[in-house]
Amino acid sequence: RKEVEQDPGPFNVPEGATVAFNCTYSNSASQSFFWYRQDCRKEPKLLMSVYSSGNEDGRFTAQLNRASQYISLLIRDSKLSDSATYLCVVMPTDSSYKLIFGSGTRLLVRP
Amino acid sequence: DTGVSQDPRHKITKRGQNVTFRCDPISEHNRLYWYRQTLGQGPEFLTYFQNEAQLEKSRLLSDRFSAERPKGSFSTLEIQRTEQGDSAMYLCASSLGTGQDYGYTFGSGTRLTVV
Repeated sequence: RKEVEQDPGPFNVPEGATVAFNCTYSNSASQSFFWYRQDCRKEPKLLMSVYSSGNEDGRFTAQLNRASQYISLLIRDSKLSDSATYLCVVMPTDSSYKLIFGSGTRLLVRP
Repeated sequence: DTGVSQDPRHKITKRGQNVTFRCDPISEHNRLYWYRQTLGQGPEFLTYFQNEAQLEKSRLLSDRFSAERPKGSFSTLEIQRTEQGDSAMYLCASSLGTGQDYGYTFGSGTRLTVV
């Protein structure tokens, strides 16, 4: 079983739609959580950190459920420029320098 | 340019040849990481440096792989006797510290194709 699991998609949505991605992780001792965005053939870039209380950054909302070992990302009012792969990332407590990536969920926003 | 630089951007090599990649981190970042990403997968951790010390090597890093950061600044990743399975994007990242409060900046990567 992979340490971080995501639905690969693709999610194909119209502009303006709301879309949600989910991610589960297997290591209950994980310390920190992130969502990264990766455009085709580019490097991953940090989208947002995920905090236990949940956090929002503009159209993006991230939630963490430690009991269920589940992380989510909600994108409201999708833009064409949101088309990318979204990577769920976990940082273990015992190696707080290492990022464990999921395989990513691909989002396609159509006009 | 104040980002993480990687060179070359692309490398095509014949099976059995040796290749070396270079990473120049953000100048004030003392932490440096190498990751490998294959098609359809997320990046996988390979190794971690704090200054010039290599503190962890993944089991993914076979004996054919070696990484160095001799003066705590730039780093090199060498692959000896390349195999087709080594074809991947090799990503370098750097950070000022570790943990959630420190952002990791990735370079654009070196795409290796072994033919």
